[in-house]
Amino acid sequence: GQQLNQSPQSMFIQEGEDVSMNCTSSSIFNTWLWYKQDPGEGPVLLIALYKAGELTSNGRLTAQFGITRKDSFLNISASIPSDVGIYFCAGQRGSNYKLTFGKGTLLTVNP
Amino acid sequence: DAGVTQSPTHLIKTRGQQVTLRCSPISGHKSVSWYQQVLGQGPQFIFQYYEKEERGRGNFPDRFSARQFPNYSSELNVNALLLGDSALYLCASIPSGTALDTQYFGPGTRLTVL
Repeated sequence: GQQLNQSPQSMFIQEGEDVSMNCTSSSIFNTWLWYKQDPGEGPVLLIALYKAGELTSNGRLTAQFGITRKDSFLNISASIPSDVGIYFCAGQRGSNYKLTFGKGTLLTVNP
Repeated sequence: DAGVTQSPTHLIKTRGQQVTLRCSPISGHKSVSWYQQVLGQGPQFIFQYYEKEERGRGNFPDRFSARQFPNYSSELNVNALLLGDSALYLCASIPSGTALDTQYFGPGTRLTVL
């Protein structure tokens, strides 16, 4: 099935560093979402973006909806050990509930 | 309030067998979606149900079927299991009929097919 192009595939950083990851698609989405998944758990919604150009923050997390509606990025500032996990982007079109996910970015934070 | 519950948490089946996975959405939520997450990949959409009716279906074979009950719980059935069906099966609970509703995921059922 279709998956979004998410990069990087993995990141290994030091505690306190900032992190940036992005997601691109060949198709337009009306909604972009960012999820975090811990081992043995389901994805948890971090940020939802509903308008092209929208920039939204949730604590140390900031995400933007690209103006072309084909991309989005997520930044994490001042990383901490509990930020470890897999981050997924997901796109949604119109009234269709279906979420199309990226392959994920595995984030490791070294204390 | 309890979150999304899924059962069982793990199960092991052999090729050719049939399996039923269960999901209870968050109280008051009327819609559920099912996703398959193969190791190392993002979740793939299988089905979406609202008020007991199928609203969407992903690119999965007819071996996959689902239903939603009057209490909004849902079952996912997979027949004639293949090795490639081994995955984490996620259920998402959705409040109502608005596409902008947040989807809340359960912990998933880990299916291993031998």
